[in-house]
Amino acid sequence: QSALTQPRSVSGSPGQSVTISCTGTSRNVGYYDYVSWYRQLPGKAPKLVIYDVTKRPSGVPDRFSGSKSGNTASLTISGLQADDEADYYCCSFGTQDVFGTGTTVTVL
Amino acid sequence: EVQLVESGGGLVQPGGSLRLSCAASGFTFSSSWIIWVRQAPGKGPEWVASINQDGSEKYYVDSVKGRFAISRDNAEKSVYLQMHSLGAEDAAVYYCARDIGHFVCDIWGQGIMVTVSS
Repeated sequence: QSALTQPRSVSGSPGQSVTISCTGTSRNVGYYDYVSWYRQLPGKAPKLVIYDVTKRPSGVPDRFSGSKSGNTASLTISGLQADDEADYYCCSFGTQDVFGTGTTVTVL
Repeated sequence: EVQLVESGGGLVQPGGSLRLSCAASGFTFSSSWIIWVRQAPGKGPEWVASINQDGSEKYYVDSVKGRFAISRDNAEKSVYLQMHSLGAEDAAVYYCARDIGHFVCDIWGQGIMVTVSS
């Protein structure tokens, strides 16, 4: 059981917004502002989309945003597009279970 | 081109050993933390080990402590993962990645498969 719990799946129609939660504890997500998010396509390496809770790497669209409240971090994808379909993993400093359980985003 | 390339994977018998390599190019390797992450089929990624810029700091997930050893050669721009006493639970795709701080990994290799089977 990972220290970071995510919903197994979320879905939305094109143009809608979806939010993925990542629930940790006061010793990891709740304590450090070091939550990052990765997107992974089948057979490919993870790709960084959000770091330090809210920051976007160069090249990542501003449709991707991150936030945190207490022990839960969230990734929101606005203006959902077909190519947003992927697995998304949160990642937090402060625990050996670095990565979350993963969420599959489906565009309906 | 900025990249990391893993090699050394393959099929190994239970209890066997394997050494993975991760070759870097296109960035200042000697200034970079490097981590190994593995992903078993159908599972999420799992952090395995980290090494700092000069190799003086090394960290491991509990499940591999005493069996795996991470090392680096900055002259060769390479990081290594020596794995011993391999079991079925170690079978996975292994990725190396550059960690720019607190598990923020901006460069990833393509991954290399490790299969443990008799």
